[in-house]
Amino acid sequence: DTEVTQTPKHLVMGMTNKKSLKCEQHMGHRAMYWYKQKAKKPPELMFVYSYEKLSINESVPSRFSPECPNSSLLNLHLHALQPEDSALYLCASSPENSGVGGEQFFGPGTRLTVL
Amino acid sequence: AQKVTQAQTEISVVEKEDVTLDCVYETRDTTYYLFWYKQPPSGELVFLIRRNSFDEQNEISGRYSWNFQKSTSSFNFTITASQVVDSAVYFCALKSNFGNEKLTFGTGTRLTIIP
Repeated sequence: DTEVTQTPKHLVMGMTNKKSLKCEQHMGHRAMYWYKQKAKKPPELMFVYSYEKLSINESVPSRFSPECPNSSLLNLHLHALQPEDSALYLCASSPENSGVGGEQFFGPGTRLTVL
Repeated sequence: AQKVTQAQTEISVVEKEDVTLDCVYETRDTTYYLFWYKQPPSGELVFLIRRNSFDEQNEISGRYSWNFQKSTSSFNFTITASQVVDSAVYFCALKSNFGNEKLTFGTGTRLTIIP
């Protein structure tokens, strides 16, 4: 299995809702990532988990809360989002840890719309 | 600071033509990694190639080839005999061998192959 899966594919939520994005990989990768991508822009890193511990938080607002329940799963909990948070949210995983140039494998993304 | 520049915002070519996507990077690190990713309209980022800074050999994979020139800090990507399925946004990215897992992306080049 050489893929990263993400659910849901599309999500529409109101500003008062609580929702979660899910990401799963079964490649034995020990680093997992959340990215946010706005239209016509490159992906922006949000969080990195390394060996199930949060290693990087790129000053993301607290309305985004990541969670790594185990080495295969990565969640992103959403609460009280703003319309400007509407974007494509990409999950990725990498076989190698900090300091080594392991390529990142991306999932298909969740297209989030905040009303 | 690291930087990746993809000066070509959009390129259109007729099917079967060859096309080269430019990528110029800046880094102070002596060891680093360069990547190309393809993002079709479906949204998923597809890994194409990784090259480390010690390996200046050019690479060919089918209709794809990459030219890494450390002297000019460039890592260009050529598609030979382009096909409609090559239409996508292509991102060049850079990663240091030290510090964290952060990929520095270029702004992307939108390639349209005209049938």
